[in-house]
Amino acid sequence: KAGVTQTPRYLIKTRGQQVTLSCSPISGHRSVSWYQQTPGQGLQFLFEYFSETQRNKGNFPGRFSGRQFSNSRSEMNVSTLELGDSALYLCASSLDGGTQYFGPGTRLLVL
Amino acid sequence: GQQLNQSPQSMFIQEGEDVSMNCTSSSIFNTWLWYKQDPGEGPVLLIALYKAGELTSNGRLTAQFGITRKDSFLNISASIPSDVGIYFCAGSTMEYGNKLVFGAGTILRVKS
Repeated sequence: KAGVTQTPRYLIKTRGQQVTLSCSPISGHRSVSWYQQTPGQGLQFLFEYFSETQRNKGNFPGRFSGRQFSNSRSEMNVSTLELGDSALYLCASSLDGGTQYFGPGTRLLVL
Repeated sequence: GQQLNQSPQSMFIQEGEDVSMNCTSSSIFNTWLWYKQDPGEGPVLLIALYKAGELTSNGRLTAQFGITRKDSFLNISASIPSDVGIYFCAGSTMEYGNKLVFGAGTILRVKS
């Protein structure tokens, strides 16, 4: 069974731009969670989608949004990028929100 | 921020030594997970624990779900150079809406 895939793997943007990251979960998994990882803050939960609905949300500003499609693939969008948004963005999938399996991440650098 | 206390923060050990790290919380958890992350990659699930007192092994790794449900430990026996990386504990609990919460990680460095 293929693992979680994320695209792109690396991305460079400038302040004020917006970015969309994509995540394809393990086949059959309906829950997708997104995390931001930075050296200073560790792994921070962004949100979880299950069956196309946002089920849980972390403490991030509204510039961070996401969605999930009927095939469980998920996208995350960050608008009006700030320097502090530079991070590794991780997606994790699970059957129903339980044990999560992570993708390789998208490393975003904001200049 | 993190709600799990993971220790030690980092370890520098000799190849062949056994390693132990743990996570504690003031909350009761329903699930404990241990992950390893290599530089530039996503965390890889090592062991999942679902019942208080459960002791589970995966090769040289052994983890236990504490009987109080507020802690878990991970042991690595006979460490080798490829054990280098960051180890994270994670737990889920109704108190946090069953979201996974993570420890800050233990950085493991092995001297060959």
